[in-house]
Formats: sequence, C-alpha cells, structure tokens
Amino acid sequence: DGGITQSPKYLFRKEGQNVTLSCEQNLNHDAMYWYRQDPGQGLRLIYYSQIVNDFQKGDIAEGYSVSREKKESFPLTVTSAQKNPTAFYLCASSIGRVGGAFLGHEQFFGPGTRLTVL
Amino acid sequence: AQSVSQHNHHVILSEAASLELGCNYSYGGTVNLFWYVQYPGQHLQLLLKYFSGDPLVKGIKGFEAEFIKSKFSFNLRKPSVQWSDTAEYFCAVNGGSARQLTFGSGTQLTVLP
Repeated sequence: DGGITQSPKYLFRKEGQNVTLSCEQNLNHDAMYWYRQDPGQGLRLIYYSQIVNDFQKGDIAEGYSVSREKKESFPLTVTSAQKNPTAFYLCASSIGRVGGAFLGHEQFFGPGTRLTVL
Repeated sequence: AQSVSQHNHHVILSEAASLELGCNYSYGGTVNLFWYVQYPGQHLQLLLKYFSGDPLVKGIKGFEAEFIKSKFSFNLRKPSVQWSDTAEYFCAVNGGSARQLTFGSGTQLTVLP
C-alpha cells in the first residue's frame, strides 16, 4: 500500500530541545517537501528536496534543518532556534522529473505531526 | 513571486445549498492550479487540478473549478453540498519554473445537516 508516513503523530518538546520529525514515502517519488500549518495561515513551505543529497530552503526555513540521504526519507529537525515551533507539520512528495521534464506539480501528503512545545 | 488569496475564511451552509469558494492568485505567467481538501482527521488530498486546456475542471465528489485567466481566479464550486463536505479547503498555485506550491490560507466549510 503506497503512501507517506509521518511519525510520531503527536510530539511534545521542552523549550531548548531539538526534535526530529520523520517522513517516509514508498511512492518512488524524487521530490519531497515539508510544510508548517498554522490556523488561518494555510501551509507554508519550510524545505524541499528535488533529489537525494540536495535540498533548498522554502519560505520559513529559519530554525529548521533537513537531510535527504535516501530517496524515501526526508527527516525534519526543529531546532531550539525556532522561536515558535508549536504547529502541525506536513510532509509531502511528488514525482519530480520524468525524462528531464519537471512533472512534480501534484503533491501527495502524509497524515502530519502535531508538535507542542511545553 | 507567486501568492494566493482565499477571501472566505469560514463558510457555513445548509445541506443542498450551492457552494462557491473564491481563490485569486498573483502570477503573470503560466500557472498550474490546485484545490486540496482536508477532512477532519484525514490527510490533505487533491480535489482537482488545472494544468492546461478546458478552463472548467471537474474533480472528485462533484466539485468543479473554473480558471478565469483575465481575473486570475480559480473558484471552487459545487451545486449541492452535503454534510460530509465539511472540511478545510485550500487553493494552491505553481507558477512558471517554480518547483513548489504556494497555498492560500484556507477556507473552513461547515455544512449543517
């Protein structure tokens, strides 16, 4: 059953701690994305990766870091430098490039991780 | 830079009423447009998309959207809503060579039985 999994579903963190959110996909997609969802603000892009070992900052990358060592995995670390980390975090993937042309416009989403800083 | 505006933050309708949710984008070139829906407790999923061709796009569950280039709009419609349509709806745009989607702030739809 293909899809995107995110873990944990709920995560609690003390101020000053780093936490890592997991995102795994078995869709064989090249591109992966991390979004943050806050009430009334929609989804804002944190980081994205078009291919293994490469990633780019999105609109709100400060205080976050990512890695893309494997095609199927794109973990997000929320560092202590993130001033307001309490939010719902969504991971997504898309096909990416096919035959040199970028076709990754349609994104598929995971169930999300709700992070609360205590 | 591309941006998306959804002016209706919360819409409340009775069952069988007609629905139209507004979406306006700002980008001067070729765009790909999407509507996503987030049902309570479920994944964000694609309702419909426009890449090119017929500006009237039909999606799942009886939804449709019309791309009006001159108005930079991509409004979502459904002739008769059901209680199960209660969800949050997001419009998104991907313009030109951009490799990411830009989402609107979302519209919460509540359908009363």
